[in-house]
Amino acid sequence: NAGVMQNPRHLVRRRGQEARLRCSPMKGHSHVYWYRQLPEEGLKFMVYLQKENIIDESGMPKERFSAEFPKEGPSILRIQQVVRGDSAAYFCASSPRGRGVKNIQYFGAGTRLSVL
Amino acid sequence: DQQVKQNSPSLSVQEGRISILNCDYTNSMFDYFLWYKKYPAEGPTFLISISSIKDKNEDGRFTVFLNKSAKHLSLHIVPSQPGDSAVYFCAAVMDSNYQLIWGAGTKLIIKP
Repeated sequence: NAGVMQNPRHLVRRRGQEARLRCSPMKGHSHVYWYRQLPEEGLKFMVYLQKENIIDESGMPKERFSAEFPKEGPSILRIQQVVRGDSAAYFCASSPRGRGVKNIQYFGAGTRLSVL
Repeated sequence: DQQVKQNSPSLSVQEGRISILNCDYTNSMFDYFLWYKKYPAEGPTFLISISSIKDKNEDGRFTVFLNKSAKHLSLHIVPSQPGDSAVYFCAAVMDSNYQLIWGAGTKLIIKP
């Protein structure tokens, strides 16, 4: 998957706990996207970040979810007080630029979150 | 409101034959279409793309056709191989934007 690293691959949490998902983009990529995939569905856009900036979080639930992409370190998707409905596969993608028809996004292997 | 639709959840094809995966869209403003392939427990992998100003793009065994008037595109794989068994996603994007709009995917099964 072209070098986008996500961890952990699997994460189990009990209801009410916090989940932290990490994504290191491909070398040289400064644009990061988070997607969620529910069973039998396609990927749904959540948030788009550049270094230290949230560009578009229109796909993120208004409560409990947050994302960051600090100057140093990986991008973090944080889910507070998880509920069973948060169980899904979360994918991170990165790209060399943010717009344009040649803006191919490269994906990590995903984090599978299971909420008990 | 599904802007990108893949109406076949699954498709089964004999090894060596042609696989044809279909995708329909509703937004005529899309400038670029992409196909991704996804194996279980892995992230999607970019496969092939096509600009809205073209009607065909070919890369080895993979060809994508675009019919703008019908708002329809298709991915042809020939000949189909066992390693092609995967879920295939169609996605679309506007030049002014960055959001990939995804179809729900088609699971392709290549039978030996």
